[in-house]
Amino acid sequence: GEDVEQSLFLSVREGDSSVINCTYTDSSSTYLYWYKQEPGAGLQLLTYIFSNMDMKQDQRLTVLLNKKDKHLSLRIADTQTGDSAIYFCAEIRFQKLVFGTGTRLLVSP
Amino acid sequence: GAGVSQSPSNKVTEKGKDVELRCDPISGHTALYWYRQSLGQGLEFLIYFQGNSAPDKSGLPSDRFSAERTGGSVSTLTIQRTQQEDSAVYLCASSPRQWVDTEAFFGQGTRLTVV
Repeated sequence: GEDVEQSLFLSVREGDSSVINCTYTDSSSTYLYWYKQEPGAGLQLLTYIFSNMDMKQDQRLTVLLNKKDKHLSLRIADTQTGDSAIYFCAEIRFQKLVFGTGTRLLVSP
Repeated sequence: GAGVSQSPSNKVTEKGKDVELRCDPISGHTALYWYRQSLGQGLEFLIYFQGNSAPDKSGLPSDRFSAERTGGSVSTLTIQRTQQEDSAVYLCASSPRQWVDTEAFFGQGTRLTVV
């Protein structure tokens, strides 16, 4: 299909790991991105991965890319209540960012 | 300013009225993007500017929507004869070049409510 797909909701306990999944559509997308949106705020770029990479680690964040299956995931280690937000994956399609539907992460104490 | 600035932050308008939403990008950023986020929805691309020209207007939902950018800086998104389905958060982003290999910086958005 043409949509970038994500599951809508994820609930975890503080201290657990969170894994947010994304299926994208454009295999030629050079970069793939993860953005975070906190309540009432704009989008903040969390991390991105170049398409020739399988994995990228940045502190508590790990991005895994499976190009064959067009599957992208974001793992947040030691999830904190401050990580509660909506997470969007995005691909580049015809020179513009195309976003997924967003995954709402709820972290409970 | 240090970031992308959008005004107003909130706008309530009556159905049928025209509205203008403003975006001040980061100084020096040549690319500017408008997105719309409806309640419970993802982000929908509206239009993209490179300098003052708009290579891609494909996301504008109807001819009631238009946008311009002057001086390679400020952009205005105009919605004529607003309808209730136009209610959404309108987000603006800028980046130094195009999307590839650069970060896009988003503003806080304008929440538009059509009553």
